[in-house]
Amino acid sequence: DAKTTQPNSMESNEEEPVHLPCNHSTISGTDYIHWYRQLPSQGPEYVIHGLTSNVNNRMASLAIAEDRKSSTLILHRATLRDAAVYYCILLLQYQFYFGTGTSLTVIP
Amino acid sequence: EAQVTQNPRYLITVTGKKLTVTCSQNMNHEYMSWYRQDPGLGLRQIYYSMNVEVTDKGDVPEGYKVSRKEKRNFPLILESPSPNQTSLYFCASSNRGETQYFGPGTRLLVL
Repeated sequence: DAKTTQPNSMESNEEEPVHLPCNHSTISGTDYIHWYRQLPSQGPEYVIHGLTSNVNNRMASLAIAEDRKSSTLILHRATLRDAAVYYCILLLQYQFYFGTGTSLTVIP
Repeated sequence: EAQVTQNPRYLITVTGKKLTVTCSQNMNHEYMSWYRQDPGLGLRQIYYSMNVEVTDKGDVPEGYKVSRKEKRNFPLILESPSPNQTSLYFCASSNRGETQYFGPGTRLLVL
């Protein structure tokens, strides 16, 4: 099975950047790297995804290592509403493999 | 509004009493999936469907059944629920390789 490894928890101060790491050493050439987040009492929601190149959208940036064995989700300015569990996921065709995610605490 | 709906949102039942949790999407997605979420274990896939009449097991299929007779619906069936199926269940849909949209979740308690 494709697996990802993330730290269980991280903290950030409000208004500061946050770098959430993910290791996926078993990734294959066609696997997309997806990031989702889950706010309390809600279903997961899409954040960003990429294959090889770094990606930016209005929510975050995704930095992918050259060997694709790791990636980093970057929140440029953390807000209290960004407190959530962040999942790094490999997408194999139709199947999403979730890990246990990183619980992000944002400190006012 | 594009969405995935699940019903019921909350359910308390007793061991052995068959139940069905419905899932419906209005985005014409090919792919639908069921997950369960338990403390400390993250989301684990139960079953998925790549299209009408095409279903396959995920990581934790034991004790569950699914069907996909229409593209928009993907019900989860527990023929004989047991307490270890107490969990938070999420349905999701997408097209191949694209963003997954998740429903709001169904919290199930089996006594």
